Amino acid sequence: NAGVTQTPKFRILKIGQSMTLQCTQDMNHNYMYWYRQDPGMGLKLIYYSVGAGITDKGEVPNGYNVSRSTTEDFPLRLELAAPSQTSVYFCASSYGENQPQHFGDGTRLSIL
Amino acid sequence: GESVGLHLPTLSVQEGDNSIINCAYSNSASDYFIWYKQESGKGPQFIIDIRSNMDKRQGQRVTVLLNKTVKHLSLQIAATQPGDSAVYFCAETSNSGYSTLTFGKGTMLLVSP
Repeated sequence: NAGVTQTPKFRILKIGQSMTLQCTQDMNHNYMYWYRQDPGMGLKLIYYSVGAGITDKGEVPNGYNVSRSTTEDFPLRLELAAPSQTSVYFCASSYGENQPQHFGDGTRLSIL
Repeated sequence: GESVGLHLPTLSVQEGDNSIINCAYSNSASDYFIWYKQESGKGPQFIIDIRSNMDKRQGQRVTVLLNKTVKHLSLQIAATQPGDSAVYFCAETSNSGYSTLTFGKGTMLLVSP
């Protein structure tokens, strides 16, 4: 039972670098989400997808891009890393609307 | 380790006590509510959910109460154990468009042996 798997677990980037955070789920869930969590705060939604080929912006999408070419995978792309993007990033998936979301263990990203 | 505990409300209890964690929500259109537990260095873990047509739901050692009149949600944990120590988040969704979750800031629960 892998559930939601995120890679890498940790990463340090320099300002201006780019990277892709990977997320894959093996539960055949249609809905997938990306959140960021800053210290002492709840999670804020970056982007979400309700199925392959469909993505939409969440509360804090600026500086990020996503794609959803398969049901299983939902990568998050940072094109020009900025210090404000230092955070813990969580990917989640759910079967559908108003269903529990299942989370990965996060990617801890520092931008220096 | 994880720094999500900074500046969070904290509830300290003794092992064996019952714990009550409260959450206020603002969107009167919200119709689905979830409680998550987050341990240090891990992702949120689903505990229990409740829909707006209910006011109480029970799980194993946990009960969620929903008061729509005052927009208040609570999580009760019976016979709290040291392994219950974590940050607890409530989250709400609305039924407008595709459902997404809005998370509260969380409450840290500390259980002493």
